[in-house]
Amino acid sequence: GAVVSQHPSRVICKSGTSVKIECRSLDFQATTMFWYRQFPKQSLMLMATSNEGSKATYEQGVEKDKFLINHASLTLSTLTVTSAHPEDSSFYICSARDSRGGDTGELFFGEGSRLTVL
Amino acid sequence: AQSVTQPDIHITVSEGASLELRCNYSYGATPYLFWYVQSPGQGLQLLLKYFSGDTLVQGIKGFEAEFKRSQSSFNLRKPSVHWSDAAEYFCAVSIGLGTYKYIFGTGTRLKVLA
Repeated sequence: GAVVSQHPSRVICKSGTSVKIECRSLDFQATTMFWYRQFPKQSLMLMATSNEGSKATYEQGVEKDKFLINHASLTLSTLTVTSAHPEDSSFYICSARDSRGGDTGELFFGEGSRLTVL
Repeated sequence: AQSVTQPDIHITVSEGASLELRCNYSYGATPYLFWYVQSPGQGLQLLLKYFSGDTLVQGIKGFEAEFKRSQSSFNLRKPSVHWSDAAEYFCAVSIGLGTYKYIFGTGTRLKVLA
């Protein structure tokens, strides 16, 4: 199956700094990627849809200036948490659609990145 | 609005016992349905999916799920649970081709007793 990789898997930063998380599709091209946030013992909340070559589409309530998304190539999307605060600490997961073989409706998920803001 | 409900937050079963995890969705048409498993600190692994056709779907690791339109349900089952099945299980729906926007249930944490 298609493989999606995230880096870093864990990151600790000081309050006020910015952190970048990368999401890569390793063996396919992904025109669309999705970023989720997962709070402890809770479900995944869709934050935004990342579109290659265009602006990301953010879900209601997600601050686009806080969570910057860039999808500069067909295999890479990045999420930058700007001026991070402790409340931004969370597990961030990306996913991507693999359009090979048609529109299957299936997404492939990365391993997730745990952000801890001190 | 579309929603997914997993009524059971925690389930504990003995190893070798059967398992059923419940999932109900709210959507006007038939959505695409998925079950994912998440081990601690890990991403999501697809267990199985339903798009159309046979309402009993077979997945990996011995799991199966049955789509029941009349009950708006997509329950996950396994006849004999192994200790390695302990994890968090998420039901998700996608409201159709081209959207790829998943709505996840709140998850069910499975504990397996030796």
